[in-house]
Formats: sequence, C-alpha cells, structure tokens
Amino acid sequence: AQSVTQPDIHITVSEGASLELRCNYSYGATPYLFWYVQSPGQGLQLLLKYFSGDTLVQGIKGFEAEFKRSQSSFNLRKPSVHWSDAAEYFCAVGAAGYSTLTFGKGTMLLVSP
Amino acid sequence: GAVVSQHPSRVICKSGTSVKIECRSLDFQATTMFWYRQFPKQSLMLMATSNEGSKATYEQGVEKDKFLINHASLTLSTLTVTSAHPEDSSFYICSAREEGSTGELFFGEGSRLTVL
Repeated sequence: AQSVTQPDIHITVSEGASLELRCNYSYGATPYLFWYVQSPGQGLQLLLKYFSGDTLVQGIKGFEAEFKRSQSSFNLRKPSVHWSDAAEYFCAVGAAGYSTLTFGKGTMLLVSP
Repeated sequence: GAVVSQHPSRVICKSGTSVKIECRSLDFQATTMFWYRQFPKQSLMLMATSNEGSKATYEQGVEKDKFLINHASLTLSTLTVTSAHPEDSSFYICSAREEGSTGELFFGEGSRLTVL
C-alpha cells in the first residue's frame, strides 16, 4: 500500500527566508507525486507535480520540488517565502494511471515578520 | 486549469436532517469524481469514488447508507449526508479527473458541514 509521510506538523519561517518542506513516500513502483496548498477553509490548489523526466520540477508561486528516488523523497522548496505563503501544504502520491491520491498529514507553514 | 465547484461552501443543519452537497466540473467532463473528508488539522481521507452512471465505490469503514453518492451526469456528483449527527461535522472536498488528460485531479473549494 502506498503512504506519505510529512514529518513536520508545523514550520515557522521568517519572511524572505528559504523554505523546505519534507515529504517521504512509500510505493512499490514509480510514483506520481504532488504538492498541494490549502488556505484556511478552502479547497486544495495544485502547486506542482512529478510524473517522469527531470527530477527537479517547477511549480506555481515560485515553488519547486525535487524527486529523489534513492531517498523516496519529494521535498518542496522556495528560495524566499512571502507572508501570503502561510497555509497548509500537503504532499500526495498516486500510481501511474492513478485513480486517486494518498495524502500526507500536511505541514502548516507559519510566516513570521 | 479546469474548475471544480462545490455548493454549498458552508451548511449548518440540525441533528437528524439530511444535507446534500453538490460537486460540479465546470469546463470539463468527469467520468470519475472523488469525495474526501477532512477532519480538523488532519489530512484528507478518501470516502468514495463516484462513477457516472454506476454505483459509487466506498472505502472501508465508510457507511454507504449514511453517505449517499449520486453521479447522474458527466459534470455533477452529489453527496448526501443522511440523518446527520454532530460527529458528521467536517470539511468535505470533492475532486474530479479530466478524462483524456494526464489524469490530474482538480479539487473543489470544499464544503464545511456543521451539525448541531
């Protein structure tokens, strides 16, 4: 069975500082990997996805993520965080031809002035 | 990107009543839609997979008589919480997959249900 681990429940970053949110997955084949962001009381917005090819993927809002097969990781990064980035971030994994996704528990990002 | 819309975004009901939540794909056809439930400060848990023109497939532990799903058209799926109780209070999110694409899922805005 596939699973996703986001080890950090909360992370606080100063505005302008760099950010890295961790995600580890467990899956028996090549996974499809996603990062979503959720603002309070809102649905999910896709930040970026990895299906195949270049292991460094660029997303919206200046985010990027790197797929590392050897570490079963797909960490999300941003070089300079803005106050508007404060939200909850979910990593998710799906199978090729996936019908649904398995989500991690999420990481709440707080941005301090 | 494709848009998925949920309605209502917030609903408050009395215990024992039924509540219907709609999920619409606005600019694409979705043979398959998914319903998730999100508890406070927790992740999304898949409840069921809704297939147009056929019965929904429920995840283990989800009561199908409690959470009725209907997917009558390629753009609309509904979730009805029957005889709601306070423990059914939650954030319900639907998603839909655009057929013929890379299979990317698009999520609705979510519906906050509060049962008094």
